[in-house]
Amino acid sequence: EPEVTQTPSHQVTQMGQEVILRCVPISNHLYFYWYRQILGQKVEFLVSFYNNEISEKSEIFDDQFSVERPDGSNFTLKIRSTKLEDSAMYFCASSEAGGRYGYTFGSGTRLTVV
Amino acid sequence: DQQVKQNSPSLSVQEGRISILNCDYTNSMFDYFLWYKKYPAEGPTFLISISSIKDKNEDGRFTVFLNKSAKHLSLHIVPSQPGDSAVYFCAALSYNQGGKLIFGQGTELSVKP
Repeated sequence: EPEVTQTPSHQVTQMGQEVILRCVPISNHLYFYWYRQILGQKVEFLVSFYNNEISEKSEIFDDQFSVERPDGSNFTLKIRSTKLEDSAMYFCASSEAGGRYGYTFGSGTRLTVV
Repeated sequence: DQQVKQNSPSLSVQEGRISILNCDYTNSMFDYFLWYKKYPAEGPTFLISISSIKDKNEDGRFTVFLNKSAKHLSLHIVPSQPGDSAVYFCAALSYNQGGKLIFGQGTELSVKP
């Protein structure tokens, strides 16, 4: 069964450092997303990406965040200057049809900012 | 932002019985509702969805019911199995919002043998 692959599974970084979280979506999917889940809280939408541009972003997705699809297979989330409150599980997802038949989520990257 | 709410943080059910997970929403413009299952250290896994124009969708042991007038949906699992033990998230989607999912807080289901 096709899957969304995320690397690394766990990333520890110092406050103020930049991190890049990587994702390989399912190859024939056209819509890509990043979500995060702070420990004990709900899964929150960050950003959706379609046709090489952001289609929707949340209030959380401020100027310190950016996304890129650099080579047609990878989809990355960059956090420019990490803060303690960025510590969370970050999930990448992809879908064929804008989500109405469900997304496929990756297993997540646990980001710990110290 | 509490557009999607799951008011029960946990539910315990005996194996073989029915599990009913509930979800309420406030935005009448949602187009689709979805249920996801999540195990620890894994991403959410899609289970079943329902269009806002339907009131029921069934897939094997899983049935989702939508009551638009009450802005309420529920997921029925019957018969429940120990392998169903996980956190279940209700989510809603609106086409004019880039396909983003708005999740509820989740309900942890425990199915006891």
